[in-house]
Amino acid sequence: IVLTQSPGTLSLSPGERATLSCRASQRIIGNYVVWYQQKLGQAPRLLISDASTRATGIPDRFSGSGSETDFILTISRLEPDDFAVYYCQQHGSAPVTFGQGTHLEIK
Amino acid sequence: QVHLEQSGAEVKKPESSVRVSCKASGGTLKNYAISWMRQTAGQGLEWIGGIIPLFDSTDYEYSFRDRVSITADDSTTFLELSGLRSEDTAVYYCASTRFMTLVSYYESWGQGTLITVSS
Repeated sequence: IVLTQSPGTLSLSPGERATLSCRASQRIIGNYVVWYQQKLGQAPRLLISDASTRATGIPDRFSGSGSETDFILTISRLEPDDFAVYYCQQHGSAPVTFGQGTHLEIK
Repeated sequence: QVHLEQSGAEVKKPESSVRVSCKASGGTLKNYAISWMRQTAGQGLEWIGGIIPLFDSTDYEYSFRDRVSITADDSTTFLELSGLRSEDTAVYYCASTRFMTLVSYYESWGQGTLITVSS
């Protein structure tokens, strides 16, 4: 399954709302989509599982939604620490696959 | 979740092999399924394969199948990749899930190991 993320780069200011998209080439079984945040030189960090369940310790300004082929990660009020690269991943079908990432940069 | 520590960066010649380790600090890998991924600027994140140590069960992505081997003991898993080429230059990650399946998401990641293939 190919995951296509858009936009490739998103330029926003702290306090603004970010909306990141992940579109699948076919329906994701169980809506098994997760989102990760990755900062330069670090490993990915789990944010959201099962399309909408926040991982332990993730603030509630991060939310996930969507179903079947279209999934969204929303960050309601951007903080300086949120500027990073975000990846979606599906685990509804083998092998697991990742999107190519959205780079969220400070405007 | 388990904390994963990977071995250090390496530079390898084309056609050689590399072995990367991933150790669970303070615990056993028997409670987890471990996958290996790699990350390049061009290809993004790719799943290479994985192991469920409790069942000694492995699976590999088709394109790597003829030159990859993943093994594990109680606390450490190893990725061995042979026939290295320049396109294998990447950061390699191990990652764990508490769900006993290789088709899952990953709650804990190693810090990554940079493998550079260069003559």
